[in-house]
Amino acid sequence: KQEVTQIPAALSVPEGENLVLNCSFTDSAIYNLQWFRQDPGKGLTSLLLIQSSQREQTSGRLNASLDKSSGRSTLYIAASQPGDSATYLCAVIKDSNDFKLSFGAGTTVTVRA
Amino acid sequence: DAGVTQSPTHLIKTRGQQVTLRCSPISGHKSVSWYQQVLGQGPQFIFQYYEKEERGRGNFPDRFSARQFPNYSSELNVNALLLGDSALYLCASSLTGTPNYGYTFGSGTRLTVV
Repeated sequence: KQEVTQIPAALSVPEGENLVLNCSFTDSAIYNLQWFRQDPGKGLTSLLLIQSSQREQTSGRLNASLDKSSGRSTLYIAASQPGDSATYLCAVIKDSNDFKLSFGAGTTVTVRA
Repeated sequence: DAGVTQSPTHLIKTRGQQVTLRCSPISGHKSVSWYQQVLGQGPQFIFQYYEKEERGRGNFPDRFSARQFPNYSSELNVNALLLGDSALYLCASSLTGTPNYGYTFGSGTRLTVV
């Protein structure tokens, strides 16, 4: 069974600092990995999708890397802003015939003004 | 374009009652998945439907059921509600039945069982 872990569970940083969020998974044979953002009590907003053949994906201030061999993905958010305060979740798909996202519990980020 | 639409946004039910949650996928998306998210945890997979057929079911009791309609919208039904069913229920749509394009989630339905 795929286990997805996100450490730390929470972090607080001053505005302008770069954020580094970690995601680890026990089974390295994944098909793709998706990062989401969740505001309190709200649904999930997709941030980045990384296919297993890719090493990284970028969108604006966001960059996600994937290292399958070590079972890790990292989400970098440059020059954090108070509006970046949210919970960030990663989720993996096992293979092309799989359709079930296996989620971590998320990292809750607070950016202090 | 409208995203994934879920209704209602909130509801309160009593133990033992039945509830129906609704989801409309993004136009053109043929797959709908349901997830349960308990406070402080990541979402847990309940069902996926593709082209009106059930593709998979998570580790949930038979009190949970779902269906997909010809227009690809979906309903999640939960019978004999328990206090532990209180959660945020999320619907996700995808273009096909494969995970190639990722998933888009709705805003969720907050269910409170009292």
